Amino acid sequence: AQTVTQSQPEMSVQEAETVTLSCTYDTSESNYYLFWYKQPPSRQMILVIRQEAYKQQNATENRFSVNFQKAAKSFSLKISDSQLGDTAMYFCAFMKGVYGGSQGNLIFGKGTKLSVKP
Amino acid sequence: GAGVSQSPSNKVTEKGKDVELRCDPISGHTALYWYRQSLGQGLEFLIYFQGNSAPDKSGLPSDRFSAERTGGSVSTLTIQRTQQEDSAVYLCASSLDGAGGVETQYFGPGTRLLVL
Repeated sequence: AQTVTQSQPEMSVQEAETVTLSCTYDTSESNYYLFWYKQPPSRQMILVIRQEAYKQQNATENRFSVNFQKAAKSFSLKISDSQLGDTAMYFCAFMKGVYGGSQGNLIFGKGTKLSVKP
Repeated sequence: GAGVSQSPSNKVTEKGKDVELRCDPISGHTALYWYRQSLGQGLEFLIYFQGNSAPDKSGLPSDRFSAERTGGSVSTLTIQRTQQEDSAVYLCASSLDGAGGVETQYFGPGTRLLVL
């Protein structure tokens, strides 16, 4: 069975600074995908960034980037130039590779509550 | 276009009553998922639909939980004889049926269920 661990229940950062959220996972699968989702107080889960395990290059999306260390099974999220709107719960998630057009369910970590302070 | 919608937004019910939660996926999305988010258990997968069929029901916690999907669109999650431990936020997500690989799941705002 796959597991996802987020070891930081809460973090805070000053506006405009950089913060890194940690995530580790355990799997015996060779083909899989990793995601970071953001959940603001509105409850709506929003995809921040995704990484295919077969890709060596770290994914980036504007101010968000990941540090994917496949051998260490680590997938951290770096938020640069933090903004007040980044305040939210952040969830790391894992999905097994899928075949033949079927899709799979996400396995989530417990989340990290990030507060961006003015 | 419109995102995933869920209704009701909040539901308060008495222990032992049945409840129905509704999910309207993004138009054209053939894959649909239900998850449950609770303080104690975090985010848990419940069930996955591909079209109207459910190839994966492995996350349903008991036989009091069931779900259906009609017309390849709207889905209803039904909880019979609700218990206090069913109190949680129930999230629905949908995605395209991507033959080329994993598709991004888009989530609705959830239904907060409180069982008294």
